[in-house]
Amino acid sequence: AAGVIQSPRHLIKEKRETATLKCYPIPRHDTVYWYQQGPGQDPQFLISFYEKMQSDKGSIPDRFSAQQFSDYHSELNMSSLELGDSALYFCASSLGAVGRGQPQHFGDGTRLSIL
Amino acid sequence: KQEVTQIPAALSVPEGENLVLNCSFTDSAIYNLQWFRQDPGKGLTSLLLIQSSQREQTSGRLNASLDKSSGRSTLYIAASQPGDSATYLCAVRHEGGGNKLTFGTGTQLKVEL
Repeated sequence: AAGVIQSPRHLIKEKRETATLKCYPIPRHDTVYWYQQGPGQDPQFLISFYEKMQSDKGSIPDRFSAQQFSDYHSELNMSSLELGDSALYFCASSLGAVGRGQPQHFGDGTRLSIL
Repeated sequence: KQEVTQIPAALSVPEGENLVLNCSFTDSAIYNLQWFRQDPGKGLTSLLLIQSSQREQTSGRLNASLDKSSGRSTLYIAASQPGDSATYLCAVRHEGGGNKLTFGTGTQLKVEL
């Protein structure tokens, strides 16, 4: 079965650079979520989208922005990168249209390293 | 603010042993609870989802229970195998918390030969 696809798998950037992470949800899933997992920490919710509209916002820095496109894929744009942004970034998707009881399915993540 | 705690933080057991992982949450107004498995440096694999109206869910050697009123969930793993070694995370979806999942601190499990 198709899963959530994230790209790139690994990304190395320097401080103050920008980065764009991409997420392709499971086919027919209309809700996308972004999470950040620092070293040795549990995942922290950043932001979510349902039907291309922002549906919930968590601890996403102002330097980050995200959007969901007409084909339901999502991109997380990160600017003025800092050392503390080094983390594993997960995207998850679910069928939001049928209620909030649906499980979230996660991708393998993008490991972002800031030098 | 919802806080999710998992005990123990780490667990090492011999192969074949049955074990229980614990998850507790401070706000019982949850929509559902999901258990995940995470291998080192890898993504999250969903194991079981329990709706707030359910008491338990089973999948193979895994059984998850939920006591919403007391803010607790357990993940029971029967006849553990070395391949079960991973970090196990529970996560709750709060009724008033929109779509986000609040994750627990995780239990790092090692099953030894």
